[in-house]
Amino acid sequence: NAGVTQTPKFRILKIGQSMTLQCTQDMNHNYMYWYRQDPGMGLKLIYYSVGAGITDKGEVPNGYNVSRSTTEDFPLRLELAAPSQTSVYFCASSYEGIYEQYFGPGTRLTVT
Amino acid sequence: EDQVTQSPEALRLQEGESSSLNCSYTVSGLRGLFWYRQDPGKGPEFLFTLYSAGEEKEKERLKATLTKKESFLHITAPKPEDSATYLCAVQPAEKLVFGKGTKLTVNP
Repeated sequence: NAGVTQTPKFRILKIGQSMTLQCTQDMNHNYMYWYRQDPGMGLKLIYYSVGAGITDKGEVPNGYNVSRSTTEDFPLRLELAAPSQTSVYFCASSYEGIYEQYFGPGTRLTVT
Repeated sequence: EDQVTQSPEALRLQEGESSSLNCSYTVSGLRGLFWYRQDPGKGPEFLFTLYSAGEEKEKERLKATLTKKESFLHITAPKPEDSATYLCAVQPAEKLVFGKGTKLTVNP
């Protein structure tokens, strides 16, 4: 039982490049989330999804896009990467919105 | 606006020295309060959920309590392996609002 997996673990992007962060969960959870974590700051919600085909913005959605075509996968797309997107990105899932969230190991992204 | 404040920002303890971490919150309607542990370079790991004032939960050396305005994470006789950042989050709706965490260091 892998839980929540994320790829890649590390990535360096040049300004203006694009990339997709992958997230997969095998717990048949309906809810999935993307967070970013900056040093000394709390986790900030980027986007979330309550089920396949349904997504909604979180606190810091600008510069990102998501899609949810299956229950298992919730990729995060960065278009035109900027230095302000340098961060650690975590994907999480939960059975329903009121239950605990389970986090992946994170992707450390640097934009230079 | 929903807010979570954790204190202290950092805490150093000697092995066996018990203490408490605080999480104070303001939220429009609390559906749950969550405690997570985060080790360096890893994702947060779920510890506890508390739903109503007066509720308590325990796991090994950790005990979480909840009042109407704050939660405490009590650490009894900590060991070096308890060193981590402890995150508190509240859930007013479908989304979690996280505090900045308390970095705990337990020296042998």
